[in-house]
Amino acid sequence: DAKTTQPNSMESNEEEPVHLPCNHSTISGTDYIHWYRQLPSQGPEYVIHGLTSNVNNRMASLAIAEDRKSSTLILHRATLRDAAVYYCILTLNNAGNNRKLIWGLGTSLAVNP
Amino acid sequence: DGGITQSPKYLFRKEGQNVTLSCEQNLNHDAMYWYRQDPGQGLRLIYYSQIVNDFQKGDIAEGYSVSREKKESFPLTVTSAQKNPTAFYLCASSIAQFGGNQPQHFGDGTRLSIL
Repeated sequence: DAKTTQPNSMESNEEEPVHLPCNHSTISGTDYIHWYRQLPSQGPEYVIHGLTSNVNNRMASLAIAEDRKSSTLILHRATLRDAAVYYCILTLNNAGNNRKLIWGLGTSLAVNP
Repeated sequence: DGGITQSPKYLFRKEGQNVTLSCEQNLNHDAMYWYRQDPGQGLRLIYYSQIVNDFQKGDIAEGYSVSREKKESFPLTVTSAQKNPTAFYLCASSIAQFGGNQPQHFGDGTRLSIL
């Protein structure tokens, strides 16, 4: 199974950009890269996903390296509400009965006022 | 608003007791999932279902059982065979089973503790 590596924790100041890195050197050509975040005592919340091209949505941007072995989640202006654990996850593109998401420990992001 | 509702938010189990965690979704999603999360850990898959009356074991199914009699509902029973049930349980759903380009939507979880 493809696995991801993320720093245990990061810190940012409010209203500054945040770049959350993720390494996935064993990614296959059909694996999507998903990012979720989780606030304490809540379920994870979908943030963004991509396959090869960079992606933008109202929450964040996802920058994917050309060789797809790493990606970066970008929060353009961090707010206190962005303090959470951020998970980088790979999913398979094809239908099948044995596919699954591999959840690592994620990056705990602290945002300073 | 559409979403996933898990109940109860907190649950206590006595020794030798089976308990059932509820998960209901009104997103019209075909696929549903149960995960377990332990402190400081990522999520681990217990069971998943891609269609009514069908479900598959995940990575840690021992001591758990599920049913999928309705599209909207996917209850999880923690049986007395599960010797370490204390954890945060999360239910999720998606349009297609582990669809590569489809996100999973999560409920707010049930925290289960042993009395």
